[in-house]
Amino acid sequence: GAVVSQHPSRVICKSGTSVKIECRSLDFQATTMFWYRQFPKQSLMLMATSNEGSKATYEQGVEKDKFLINHASLTLSTLTVTSAHPEDSSFYICSAREGLFQETQYFGPGTRLLVL
Amino acid sequence: SQQGEEDPQALSIQEGENATMNCSYKTSINNLQWYRQNSGRGLVHLILIRSNEREKHSGRLRVTLDTSKKSSSLLITASRAADTASYFCATDEGGSEKLVFGKGTKLTVNP
Repeated sequence: GAVVSQHPSRVICKSGTSVKIECRSLDFQATTMFWYRQFPKQSLMLMATSNEGSKATYEQGVEKDKFLINHASLTLSTLTVTSAHPEDSSFYICSAREGLFQETQYFGPGTRLLVL
Repeated sequence: SQQGEEDPQALSIQEGENATMNCSYKTSINNLQWYRQNSGRGLVHLILIRSNEREKHSGRLRVTLDTSKKSSSLLITASRAADTASYFCATDEGGSEKLVFGKGTKLTVNP
């Protein structure tokens, strides 16, 4: 099956620093990638949708200047949490979809971010 | 927005028993998907059922969909300790490319 990787798997950073999370589709080209956030014992909340070569579409309430998304190639999307604060601590998960009409999203293993 | 709502929120059973989880949603859909998440890990796609399908099987999994009631159920038969995980339903809200996840059911299968 399709494989999606994320790096790093966990990161601890100081408040005020920026953190970049990478999401890669390893064996397919992902026209669309999605970024989710998950709080402990809660469901996934979609943050943004990114299509290769275009600007990401953010969900209501998600600050685009805070969570920078870049989808520069068909196999890589990055999420940068800028000026991170403790409330940004969460589990960030990406997913990728192979084609415009593919219904299944393949999820990465997630990145645990802890901001001190 | 949270569209899918699973129940129960938590389910604890013995190995060998069947586990049934339900999901309700609010808007029209093209398909509904079930995912599994082990603690602190990513999601694994289990099964997709389209709006014109009523039932689908995959190994020990059986999914039903009732579009008139806007509900779906996931049945895991002959459960194993390794089935312990959280299970989420997700719908394509109004047929969009976005997935909207429910709150999930945490299943514990005791050996």
